[in-house]
Amino acid sequence: AQSVTQLGSHVSVSEGALVLLRCNYSSSVPPYLFWYVQYPNQGLQLLLKYTSAATLVKGINGFEAEFKKSETSFHLTKPSAHMSDAAEYFCAVSDSPGGGNKLTFGTGTQLKVEL
Amino acid sequence: DAGVIQSPRHEVTEMGQEVTLRCKPISGHDYLFWYRQTMMRGLELLIYFNNNVPIDDSGMPEDRFSAKMPNASFSTLKIQPSEPRDSAVYFCASSFRQGSTEAFFGQGTRLTVV
Repeated sequence: AQSVTQLGSHVSVSEGALVLLRCNYSSSVPPYLFWYVQYPNQGLQLLLKYTSAATLVKGINGFEAEFKKSETSFHLTKPSAHMSDAAEYFCAVSDSPGGGNKLTFGTGTQLKVEL
Repeated sequence: DAGVIQSPRHEVTEMGQEVTLRCKPISGHDYLFWYRQTMMRGLELLIYFNNNVPIDDSGMPEDRFSAKMPNASFSTLKIQPSEPRDSAVYFCASSFRQGSTEAFFGQGTRLTVV
């Protein structure tokens, strides 16, 4: 069974500061890993994904994540936070191939950006 | 493409009533997923289809829940009878083939059972 653990249900940063959202995964097969963002009253939007190519993945809105197999981590970072980044962020793992592209999500991290 | 379309966006119903949630996936996508989001349990996969065929419904909480996909462009999630603990946001998502392709999510249906 696959799972992801997101450390910290709430993270608060100042505008312009580094954003670091943590995600660790557990998988018995090489994983596909994703970060999704959810704005209030909206669906989930893909930020970036790891698909066994480059270990450093760049996504939209200036976010990036690094896959570290030795640490079973896929932390999300952004060098400089913007007010518009305030949202909930979900790390997810897919058990493909074999089970479709169904996702197992972490519990989410609410990012607050303060002036 | 307009993306994954869910209806209604909000539903308020009384306990014991039947509720039907609807989803139109992105054209050409052959996987469709139903997720439920609650504060207590986060995002849970309820069921998913491949080429209109249910593949895994192990996440469906009870027999009160049922899902169908009569064709490639339409799916329903039905709760009968509904209970207050079913109150949640239900998301539909679709993706094209398995593997690394992302799942695209609809905006969700917020269900409140009173």
